[in-house]
Amino acid sequence: GQQVMQIPQYQHVQEGEDFTTYCNSSTTLSNIQWYKQRPGGHPVFLIQLVKSGEVKKQKRLTFQFGEAKKNSSLHITATQTTDVGTYFCAVETSGSRLTFGEGTQLTVNP
Amino acid sequence: AAGVIQSPRHLIKEKRETATLKCYPIPRHDTVYWYQQGPGQDPQFLISFYEKMQSDKGSIPDRFSAQQFSDYHSELNMSSLELGDSALYFCASSLRGESTGELFFGEGSRLTVL
Repeated sequence: GQQVMQIPQYQHVQEGEDFTTYCNSSTTLSNIQWYKQRPGGHPVFLIQLVKSGEVKKQKRLTFQFGEAKKNSSLHITATQTTDVGTYFCAVETSGSRLTFGEGTQLTVNP
Repeated sequence: AAGVIQSPRHLIKEKRETATLKCYPIPRHDTVYWYQQGPGQDPQFLISFYEKMQSDKGSIPDRFSAQQFSDYHSELNMSSLELGDSALYFCASSLRGESTGELFFGEGSRLTVL
């Protein structure tokens, strides 16, 4: 089963609105990664969070790792049409595998 | 910069046929992963190799096998294909450190089984 629960499954926003997707785990995570997959494309790495309470920013994107290292969020400020895609969190599970959350599909209406 | 190369990009097979997907990882990357992604689904881990040795195995059917060769390229072999095998198959590579690290994905091979 899924190691992380990701919500919401879908998010439709008007261009300029903010967007947030959340990942939650029942167990403490060593780290968490975020990927973006454009429609018809492949997953592209965005960031990795390692430290408890860590906050990282990439332009309009803000990533947070919870204090207990059991949850994480990705927030996009003032969405643009170029933000369209599915955002996945991913965590290390057994062995070397990276297990993906179910993803949040973002659509942006211009 | 060199990326992960996958071939073929598209293939169409009949039920019970065999398919082989190829992956050329980024040079000097030591770990290769195979993922399967159905429509609207998240990528599902199939198998990984570290330094040409199988390092982890996920929900990969017995009809599937994979290996990594001396030149580090990897192949995913799928036999007795079923309709449900229709999916996008991604290969990814990484340079393993203390953690799994960033995965670099290829553009994928889209398999359609008729």
